[in-house]
Amino acid sequence: DSGVTQTPKHLITATGQRVTLRCSPRSGDLSVYWYQQSLDQGLQFLIQYYNGEERAKGNILERFSAQQFPDLHSELNLSSLELGDSALYFCASSYVGTGHDEQYFGPGTRLTVT
Amino acid sequence: DAKTTQPPSMDCAEGRAANLPCNHSTISGNEYVYWYRQIHSQGPQYIIHGLKNNETNEMASLIITEDRKSSTLILPHATLRDTAVYYCIVRLDFYSGAGSYQLTFGKGTKLSVIP
Repeated sequence: DSGVTQTPKHLITATGQRVTLRCSPRSGDLSVYWYQQSLDQGLQFLIQYYNGEERAKGNILERFSAQQFPDLHSELNLSSLELGDSALYFCASSYVGTGHDEQYFGPGTRLTVT
Repeated sequence: DAKTTQPPSMDCAEGRAANLPCNHSTISGNEYVYWYRQIHSQGPQYIIHGLKNNETNEMASLIITEDRKSSTLILPHATLRDTAVYYCIVRLDFYSGAGSYQLTFGKGTKLSVIP
């Protein structure tokens, strides 16, 4: 158990819909990262937050957005869903996000868009 | 960050050492080598990292060549639970507190530990 929690574990929704994925980082960690893992693209970095502020952006679509709240939990919002958005979405956390701190990954949310 | 090259798959007999190679010929002087693994769609798990000296922890050993162009992750006594995809990642560390820390995953090596 990494200490990172993600809800829900599974999500099935229809095209065009909007969903919210939630992540609670390990106690004491200030940075949260979101990754997407699909069969054809592998594990891809989406976005990083540090202490409530966006720190880095990767291959995140404009239809996707995220935020980190004062209690440091984070939400990833996916809208206008397409079939190709079906994937595993992982959240990871680390203490600061620089230096040698390793990232601890949650169990993931499996999103299926039908 | 430098690119890495890993064999797509490897087999290892249970109880034997698993040696997973990684080539990173374009690595720069201040880039670290990290290893993560992913067991069957679970979240990736950190294993070990190093700069130029060999490193060992409770999970594995990391051997980095003197020219730093390649490295080997060693699982000393592989068990069935070590069956996973192993990712070698090279990345730049930032010390100023202003850098980012995303991990760039390649395709990794699928290690199968055989009874």
